[in-house]
Amino acid sequence: QQQVKQSPQSLIVQKGGISIINCAYENTAFDYFPWYQQFPGKGPALLIAIRPDVSEKKEGRFTISFNKSAKQFSLHIMDSQPGDSATYFCAASMGHNDMRFGAGTRLTVKP
Amino acid sequence: DAGITQSPRHKVTETGTPVTLRCHQTENHRYMYWYRQDPGHGLRLIHYSYGVKDTDKGEVSDGYSVSRSKTEDFLLTLESATSSQTSVYFCAIGNMKGTSDREQYFGPGTRLTVT
Repeated sequence: QQQVKQSPQSLIVQKGGISIINCAYENTAFDYFPWYQQFPGKGPALLIAIRPDVSEKKEGRFTISFNKSAKQFSLHIMDSQPGDSATYFCAASMGHNDMRFGAGTRLTVKP
Repeated sequence: DAGITQSPRHKVTETGTPVTLRCHQTENHRYMYWYRQDPGHGLRLIHYSYGVKDTDKGEVSDGYSVSRSKTEDFLLTLESATSSQTSVYFCAIGNMKGTSDREQYFGPGTRLTVT
């Protein structure tokens, strides 16, 4: 049973558009929510992370929105670029030894 | 890849043979992790280590063992490889400063095929 559900599975966006990826979790003990970006043949790289005491965190073109009551969080990529084309994973953690990942979203940004 | 190397990067082996994957870090991080990545499942934790000779099981540990005799090295062993263990294996490290830092940094991965 997947504890973190991610959608959509794949996403196609035009250059300059906004990419939105959503995740939902079940366990309210999760208290750290990172997003990872992975290019083909590479390991996942930490993109941005949030704690449940804030509702939004922004780093450059990347923003996490967090809704604690709905147990949902999302990644917004503003002004999407072809170089953003990658697979994105959300995750949730409740301790140093328990990181649960979503199934991933393959993003394609068309020029 | 944050000072993490994995070896080998690719391996093909036969069912029933033992396989050892190596993760080496130069960051002196305390925590090390082994994950497997499969389509539709994201990444799943196999085993982790919180110090030299201190290891514990993760979500999908059956059929795997680990060892950590030095801070910089974390080995993953498949005692008798099965086709269901065909996957991409990632090592990750983390320093976990206090309770506010859970960042994990991933290595380049090892693609393992069991025929």
